[in-house]
Order: sequence, then C-alpha cells, then structure tokens
Amino acid sequence: AQSVTQLGSHVSVSEGALVLLRCNYSSSVPPYLFWYVQYPNQGLQLLLKYTTGATLVKGINGFEAEFKKSETSFHLTKPSAHMSDAAEYFCAVSLGNQFYFGTGTSLTVIP
Amino acid sequence: GAVVSQHPSRVICKSGTSVKIECRSLDFQATTMFWYRQFPKQSLMLMATSNEGSKATYEQGVEKDKFLINHASLTLSTLTVTSAHPEDSSFYICSAPSGTSVRGSYNEQFFGPGTRLTVL
Repeated sequence: AQSVTQLGSHVSVSEGALVLLRCNYSSSVPPYLFWYVQYPNQGLQLLLKYTTGATLVKGINGFEAEFKKSETSFHLTKPSAHMSDAAEYFCAVSLGNQFYFGTGTSLTVIP
Repeated sequence: GAVVSQHPSRVICKSGTSVKIECRSLDFQATTMFWYRQFPKQSLMLMATSNEGSKATYEQGVEKDKFLINHASLTLSTLTVTSAHPEDSSFYICSAPSGTSVRGSYNEQFFGPGTRLTVL
C-alpha cells in the first residue's frame, strides 16, 4: 500500500526564518514526488516535483526539496520565510495512475 | 504549464436542487480527469476518476447516483451533484494529469481553481 505522511498539521515560523515541512512516503517502488501549495479558496499550485535525476529539486518561490530514498522522505525547505508563504502545503506521490496526497501542513508566518 | 478551468467558482443552491460543475482542460487534451472533494482544513479526497468516452470510476463510499460524472469530450468533464443537501456543501476540485512515463506514473497533475458549493 502507498501512503504519504506529513508530520505536523500546523507549522509556525517567524518571518525570515527557515521553513521545513516534512513528508515521508511508503511505497514498494520509488514514486514520483510533489509538493503543492494551496491558498484559501483556490486550487493547488505545483511548487516542485521529483521524477528522476538530481535528488535536490528547486521549485518556485525559493522552495526546494530533497528526495532521500534511504529515508523515504521528501522534505520541503525554504531558507527565509516570507509573509506570502502562509498557506496550506500538500505533499503528494504519483504511482501508477493514482495520486496520493498527504493530510497537509498549514504554514503560519509570524511577522 | 497546462491550464484547467472550473465553472462556476462559487454556487449557492437550495436543498433538493441539482448543481453541475464543469472542468475544462484549456490547452491540452485530457482522457482522464479526477474529481476531489475537500473539507475545511483537510486534504483532498478523491471521489472519482473521469474517463473520456466511458464510465467514471468511483472511490469506495462515493455514491455514483449522487455524484454524476460525464466526460463527453477530451477537454470537458462535468460533475453533477443531484438532489443536493447541506452535507454536500464542500470545495470541489478537478484535475487532469499530464503524460505518463515508462514507469506508468503521471508526471504531474494540473488542478482547477475549485468550486465552492453551499447548499442551504
């Protein structure tokens, strides 16, 4: 069975501080991995994805994530949080013809 | 990237009426589309997979007679909530996946902006 676990449903950081959102997956084969951001009453926007190749992936808005097969993780980071980063973040995996989403992490940025 | 639109973005209806939500792929063809439901502060729950030219595949627990899906063309899928009740109030999101790799996994999904349904 495939699953996606996001540790921490709520994360708060100060403006300018490091953002770290955690994502672990369970799969018998390495899946494709994604991070999406959702602003209130909007759809999901792709931040970044890992399919093959370099395990450190850079995305939009200064975010990046590193695929670590040995840890089955795909944590999302950003060196310096901005107020506009406050949103809901979803980790997802694609395996076969299905997408599996994590439960989401709500990021609050404190001024 | 590819664009997926949804219409309407927001709808309010009376209990017992039916509501149709459209999902369109604007610049690419989508033989498959997905319909999700999202409750406040929760993740996306896959409701069904819409397949062009054939019947939709519903997830366990989703009433197919309640949530009618039609995928009549390569760019349009519709979700009709029949005889809507207040418990059907939710945020509905559609998506269309991009091409598959040799491993058979989708490279990406493109999401519509969502439809907020409120049933009074």
